[in-house]
Amino acid sequence: GDSVTQMEGPVTLSEEAFLTINCTYTATGYPSLFWYVQYPGEGLQLLLKATKADDKGSNKGFEATYRKETTSFHLEKGSVQVSDSAVYFCALTPSTTNAGKSTFGDGTTLTVKP
Amino acid sequence: EAGVAQSPRYKIIEKRQSVAFWCNPISGHATLYWYQQILGQGPKLLIQFQNNGVVDDSQLPKDRFSAERLKGVDSTLKIQPAKLEDSAVYLCASSLVSGNTIYFGEGSWLTVV
Repeated sequence: GDSVTQMEGPVTLSEEAFLTINCTYTATGYPSLFWYVQYPGEGLQLLLKATKADDKGSNKGFEATYRKETTSFHLEKGSVQVSDSAVYFCALTPSTTNAGKSTFGDGTTLTVKP
Repeated sequence: EAGVAQSPRYKIIEKRQSVAFWCNPISGHATLYWYQQILGQGPKLLIQFQNNGVVDDSQLPKDRFSAERLKGVDSTLKIQPAKLEDSAVYLCASSLVSGNTIYFGEGSWLTVV
């Protein structure tokens, strides 16, 4: 079955540091890939997505590129802020348009210190 | 645009008691999902509705969990009787029929003691 593996956390960075959170996946066909963010006490929010190979999703300074050859979708940000402290989830949906079969990673907790 | 609404936000119950969670999806979204998120894990799909019909409930523990979506809008998820391992966040989400982006509510946090 489909699976998503994220780098284990927690990750602690100083403000303005560079962020990378690794995500690799296993799936048949051509899945769509997502990053969600969950702030303390809140539900998941879509951060960015990519629907085909070599697509780059970006939002709020975060970006991730769909790499089919390495089955990866690593999240990056050039300069993190304290407000970026949250849990980040990588996810995929299968090649169909049915979002219900989404598979999520276990999340990576990011803490940014001033 | 209003997001996915859920209530209650927090609930503490004793084991073997029952609990119900309510969800109102984004207007116009025909597809509604209930996920269970255990602390330290990603969400796991419990049930998916398309309008008022069930599309997938393969991971719903049907001996104690039930869900309905009357009239194809609001939905209720019920747990009876609750077990300690049901302590989790129950996330409701919705999406357009033809889209593949899921919009989540803030979740209902359940603690079973």
